[in-house]
Amino acid sequence: AQSVTQPDIHITVSEGASLELRCNYSYGATPYLFWYVQSPGQGLQLLLKYFSGDTLVQGIKGFEAEFKRSQSSFNLRKPSVHWSDAAEYFCAVGAGAGTASKLTFGTGTRLQVTL
Amino acid sequence: GAVVSQHPSWVICKSGTSVKIECRSLDFQATTMFWYRQFPKQSLMLMATSNEGSKATYEQGVEKDKFLINHASLTLSTLTVTSAHPEDSSFYICSASALGGQPQHFGDGTRLSIL
Repeated sequence: AQSVTQPDIHITVSEGASLELRCNYSYGATPYLFWYVQSPGQGLQLLLKYFSGDTLVQGIKGFEAEFKRSQSSFNLRKPSVHWSDAAEYFCAVGAGAGTASKLTFGTGTRLQVTL
Repeated sequence: GAVVSQHPSWVICKSGTSVKIECRSLDFQATTMFWYRQFPKQSLMLMATSNEGSKATYEQGVEKDKFLINHASLTLSTLTVTSAHPEDSSFYICSASALGGQPQHFGDGTRLSIL
């Protein structure tokens, strides 16, 4: 069965500092990986996805993520955090490239940005 | 593109009543829609997967007679919480996928409060 682990429940960074959110997955085949962001009381917005190809994936809002098969990781990074990035971030793994595949979400990392 | 609209965004009702939540894909045809439940400060738990024109597939532990899902068209799926009780209070989120390897796109969620 597939699973996702986000080891950090809560992270606080200063505005302008760099950010890395960790994500480790468990899946028997080639994983399809996603990062979503959720603001309070709202749905999820897709930041980026990895299906195949280049292991460094660029997303929206200046985020990027790197797929490392040897470490079963898909960490999210941003070089300079803005106060508006404060939100909940979810890593997810899908069972296949097809859109009908179910997603398994991590428990989320809450990002707090101090000014 | 890929906008998913969920309605209502917030509903409060008395115990014993039934509540219907709508999920619409506004600019694409959604062959598959997913319904999630999210408790405060927790991750998303998949409740069921629905494909247009067929019966929904429920996850283990989800009562299909209590959470009725209908996916009658390629742009609309509904979740009806029947005979709702306070323990059904939660944040319900839908997502939709089209053909072609696209990821899931999420609605903004519905906060359901049962008094």
